Amino acid sequence: NAGVTQTPKFQVLKTGQSMTLQCAQDMNHNSMYWYRQDPGMGLRLIYYSASEGTTDKGEVPNGYNVSRLNKREFSLRLESAAPSQTSVYFCASMEDRDTEAFFGQGTRLTVV
Amino acid sequence: KQEVTQIPAALSVPEGENLVLNCSFTDSAIYNLQWFRQDPGKGLTSLLLIQSSQREQTSGRLNASLDKSSGRSTLYIAASQPGDSATYLCAPSYYGNNRLAFGKGNQVVVIP
Repeated sequence: NAGVTQTPKFQVLKTGQSMTLQCAQDMNHNSMYWYRQDPGMGLRLIYYSASEGTTDKGEVPNGYNVSRLNKREFSLRLESAAPSQTSVYFCASMEDRDTEAFFGQGTRLTVV
Repeated sequence: KQEVTQIPAALSVPEGENLVLNCSFTDSAIYNLQWFRQDPGKGLTSLLLIQSSQREQTSGRLNASLDKSSGRSTLYIAASQPGDSATYLCAPSYYGNNRLAFGKGNQVVVIP
């Protein structure tokens, strides 16, 4: 039972490089989320997808794009990485609002 | 903006003591509230989910209460153990959207 799987687990990028963070869930959940976690800031929502084919901005969407490729997969893309995007990124999923959320193990991204 | 505050930010207790962790939220129109546990370097694990119609939810040594009118939730951990050392986060969700809003967490250390 894999749950929510994120790849990669660690990444170092140079300023201006691009990359895509991958997230997949095997629980047939409708909703998927991308958060970033920074010291002293808590978890902040970047983008979310309430269902396959829909995406919406969260609190801090600037500098990011997302794709809900299918019901299982929700990717986060950094087109031109900046040092301010150094963070730990978490993907999460929920069946619906009445059920618990499941989180991946996180991607530690450093932009130098 | 829907703000979530968790007090205390950090605490240390001797093994066997009961733990009381507080969460307050500014918008009382919550749909439900979840408590999560996060171990260092790991993702979040859901502990308890309280629906807005409920006053409390229990799982083993954990009990969470919810008072919507005062905008507060409390997580009680009975007879704490060193394995309870972690960061605990509360996350209400609200009517009108499908998101979770996170507090910054209560960092707990249980001393053997």
